[in-house]
Amino acid sequence: EPEVTQTPSHQVTQMGQEVILRCVPISNHLYFYWYRQILGQKVEFLVSFYNNEISEKSEIFDDQFSVERPDGSNFTLKIRSTKLEDSAMYFCASSAGTSAYEQYFGPGTRLTVT
Amino acid sequence: AQKVTQAQTEISVVEKEDVTLDCVYETRDTTYYLFWYKQPPSGELVFLIRRNSFDEQNEISGRYSWNFQKSTSSFNFTITASQVVDSAVYFCALSPRNTGFQKLVFGTGTRLLVSP
Repeated sequence: EPEVTQTPSHQVTQMGQEVILRCVPISNHLYFYWYRQILGQKVEFLVSFYNNEISEKSEIFDDQFSVERPDGSNFTLKIRSTKLEDSAMYFCASSAGTSAYEQYFGPGTRLTVT
Repeated sequence: AQKVTQAQTEISVVEKEDVTLDCVYETRDTTYYLFWYKQPPSGELVFLIRRNSFDEQNEISGRYSWNFQKSTSSFNFTITASQVVDSAVYFCALSPRNTGFQKLVFGTGTRLLVSP
């Protein structure tokens, strides 16, 4: 069964450093998403991406964040200058479409900012 | 504004008991989708069910059943004859039309602990 994969599973970085989280969505999916979950809290939407551009983003997704689909398979989330409060689990998801299509989530990358 | 409320923070049951997880949502959209996801201790999010706002039929899948009541804006999830493997955090989520159905708004989750 096809699945969303994410690397690395755990990333430790120092405050102020840039990090790139990588995702490989399901191959025939068209919509890609990033969510985050601060430890013990709810899952929060960050951004959705379709046709090589951002289609929807939340207030959390400020200028420190960017997304890219550098090739036909990867989907990345970059945080330019990490802050302590960026420590969270970051989930990538993909879907074949919107409305009638469910989002399939990857296993997550745990980001720890020290 | 869209919001999902899962008032039960944690529920503990003994194996074979039935358990219902509550979900209440708020949206001004008349067209939306509702979801349940399971997050086991390993951390991934597992899709369980999707329901659109025009389909109020209850659904049963094995030991799982869902009760959607538009009149009370609720989408409750029942596990019959619970098992230890059901122990997880369960999230209810809403996808409203005004975001092009691209955004999932999650509740805070209910942690279910099933003991043997």
